[in-house]
Amino acid sequence: AQSVTQLGSHVSVSEGALVLLRCNYSSSVPPYLFWYVQYPNQGLQLLLKYTTGATLVKGINGFEAEFKKSETSFHLTKPSAHMSDAAEYFCAVSSKAAGNKLTFGGGTRVLVKP
Amino acid sequence: ETGVTQSPTHLIKTRGQQVTLRCSSQSGHNTVSWYQQALGQGPQFIFQYYREEENGRGNFPPRFSGLQFPNYSSELNVNALELDDSALYLCASSFSIGRESYEQYFGPGTRLTVT
Repeated sequence: AQSVTQLGSHVSVSEGALVLLRCNYSSSVPPYLFWYVQYPNQGLQLLLKYTTGATLVKGINGFEAEFKKSETSFHLTKPSAHMSDAAEYFCAVSSKAAGNKLTFGGGTRVLVKP
Repeated sequence: ETGVTQSPTHLIKTRGQQVTLRCSSQSGHNTVSWYQQALGQGPQFIFQYYREEENGRGNFPPRFSGLQFPNYSSELNVNALELDDSALYLCASSFSIGRESYEQYFGPGTRLTVT
């Protein structure tokens, strides 16, 4: 079985400040980890993914995430928030054993203050 | 390259009715997955279709059923609609080799409201 916990359903940051979204996962097999972004009334857009190899993963729009097996974490960061980063962010886990079906966390809504 | 498309965009149905949602997968993709996203929650996996066969199912009752066609498009059917079925239904397509699929690309979703 696999699961994802996202700490904090809402995060408020000032424009230009660091964005940090927390994600912890549970998986009995090597996980594949993803971050998706969802803008209002839209589908999900893939920001970045970790499958194997380098544990620091860079994605689109300046986001990056680090896979830490010992901490079962995959936190998402961006050094400097932009107004356009206001959206909902979802962390998801899958695995080869799970047939690559995605299990999502509950989401974190990001508000960017000017 | 055409992305994942879904129809209709919005739908309002009455409790007890049946609904069919449609999804066209991205060019070159052979696998379609369906997810239900209730308001304020993360998406939940309903089922996946690979080469016209169901390839895994989440914790949803049998009144949720699906089809995949030879062109890899797909339908999600829900019978005997309940109020709790109100949600955004997301379709995602991916390319699979031997039932192992790679990253999924999502469509814009269909917003279903059951009254």
